[in-house]
Order: sequence, then structure tokens, then C-alpha cells
Amino acid sequence: GIQVEQSPPDLILQEGANSTLRCNFSDSVNNLQWFHQNPWGQLINLFYIPSGTKQNGRLSATTVATERYSLLYISSSQTTDSGVYFCAVESGGSNYKLTFGKGTLLTVNP
Amino acid sequence: GAGVSQSPSNKVTEKGKDVELRCDPISGHTALYWYRQSLGQGLEFLIYFQGNSAPDKSGLPSDRFSAERTGGSVSTLTIQRTQQEDSAVYLCASGLAGPDTQYFGPGTRLTVL
Repeated sequence: GIQVEQSPPDLILQEGANSTLRCNFSDSVNNLQWFHQNPWGQLINLFYIPSGTKQNGRLSATTVATERYSLLYISSSQTTDSGVYFCAVESGGSNYKLTFGKGTLLTVNP
Repeated sequence: GAGVSQSPSNKVTEKGKDVELRCDPISGHTALYWYRQSLGQGLEFLIYFQGNSAPDKSGLPSDRFSAERTGGSVSTLTIQRTQQEDSAVYLCASGLAGPDTQYFGPGTRLTVL
């Protein structure tokens, strides 16, 4: 099956700093989503981005499908950005299941 | 509008007991998924329902796990004769048909003593 690798595994920032999270995948994808898992465990949708670039406030994402990677940019980070960020992909087949990476644990200190 | 809801939010059970977990998808979503999140295995797919089609059970870890979806809406995941390795957070997601955004519920944290 498809492999999803996220980097870095851990990231510590000071409030106000910018960061880039990376997701590499081993095959072509029909669906790619970025999620933020908050301290209560809820997976919050950030982006549905199988290709191209999207922006939402301080967050933006770019997927280069031909090179099999996606980047999540967080600008002017805030303490509320802390949590685990997951990349998940769907690579075809009849069930559209998502395969998740292991996540990046982001800690933003005040 | 209302998101995906799951109940109970927490469940503690004794080894060998059966448990039922419930998922209410977003209204109008024909696709429904169950995943689980555990420390050792990360987030993994369990089962997929699409409309009235037969479910894709390819991710279920053993025959102790089963799920049904009634009327194309609410789904119940049943685990029989629970084992300690079943302890995890069980997440439900719903979406439109095909490769589209999946929206996740808050999860049910299952602890098997």
C-alpha cells in the first residue's frame, strides 16, 4: 500500500515564528487532506488539497502531485496552533480510505 | 450545520465483554468510515460504507469486529469479547461519494481493562 512520511516528527516554536511541515507519499493520490488534532483528540480539517495551492488565513498548503509531496505552512504561529498535524492520502481503489502519516507534533511556546 | 457525532465519548469495559459504538454522520453524506487511533499503530482504516452497497470490511482486524449502517445513516461498530489490545480511540468520518473531504467525529475512547 501507499506510504506516507511526515517530517519533522516534532517541532518547537516560539509564538510568532513561521514553520513548514512536509508530507511525502509513495504513489499518485486522488485525495490529500491535512488535519490538526487538537488536545481533545478531534481531527480538524485544514485542507483538501490533492494538487495545487490553497490558503486559509495564516495557513497555506501546496501539493506537488507529480513529485509526490505536500507542504503545510503556518505563519505567525500562536499557542493555539499546538497539537499534532496529520497528512492523509487516498490513492485509488474502491473504498477511498485515507492512509495517515505518523504526524508532526507542534508545540508553540508563548 | 451539525458535524459528525459519536457516542459514547468514553467507554471502559472489562476484557471479554461486548461493546457498541455509535456514529451519526453529517446529513446527506453517503460515505461513512470507521478508523481507530492507537499508540502503536497510529491511525488506521477499519471499514467503509457507501450508500446501500455492501461494506468494505478489509480493515477490520479480526472477526470480533463488525459494523452495520441502518437506513444509510447511523452506524454501529460492535466489538465482541473485547481484548486489551482493542483499547484505542475509534473515529468515525463521513463524506460525499468518491475521493472527497472526509469529516471526522470526536471519537470514542475505548479502554479495556
